[in-house]
Amino acid sequence: DAGVTQSPTHLIKTRGQHVTLRCSPISGHKSVSWYQQVLGQGPQFIFQYYEKEERGRGNFPDRFSARQFPNYSSELNVNALLLGDSALYLCASSLTGLDTQYFGPGTRLTVL
Amino acid sequence: AQSVTQPDIHITVSEGASLELRCNYSYGATPYLFWYVQSPGQGLQLLLKYFSGDTLVQGIKGFEAEFKRSQSSFNLRKPSVHWSDAAEYFCAVGARTGGSYIPTFGRGTSLIVHP
Repeated sequence: DAGVTQSPTHLIKTRGQHVTLRCSPISGHKSVSWYQQVLGQGPQFIFQYYEKEERGRGNFPDRFSARQFPNYSSELNVNALLLGDSALYLCASSLTGLDTQYFGPGTRLTVL
Repeated sequence: AQSVTQPDIHITVSEGASLELRCNYSYGATPYLFWYVQSPGQGLQLLLKYFSGDTLVQGIKGFEAEFKRSQSSFNLRKPSVHWSDAAEYFCAVGARTGGSYIPTFGRGTSLIVHP
């Protein structure tokens, strides 16, 4: 079975631009979570979705938004990019959002 | 709010030697505890987890961890390290917040394995 997949693998943007990152969960998983991992740090929680509803939100500005689609895939959107948004963005899926999360390989975002 | 401390930023061991990575957590209730491993440029792979029951947990790749409530610790161990174990290791504590479960990660411990 395929694991969590994310696209694109790498992305380079300039300050002020907008970016959309995509995630497909493991088949049968209905919850998707997003994390930001800055170099040298552990992942930091951004959002969790379950059955297309937002279940949790971390301490990130309103420039960050997400949504989950009927097929349980998800998009993370970041507006007005800042240099500090450069990071590895990880997506994780789980059956219900209350059980073990399985991570994708991530999208490396570089903001110049 | 929950938190995780991994006091060692780097650990260096020789191949074949034993390994212990430390993790201390802060959380008011019974925690869900996890260890993940991350190879360079990769996502996180779950090594093992503790939800309840036996406090000694067996994981993949020969790893184990012991939950000690009195010490608020969940240290990861392996009796004999292989060169392929070189990676970043993250401890996480999960807390149920309303209808969701949110893990908080430590900053990680980088494992270096000498031949």
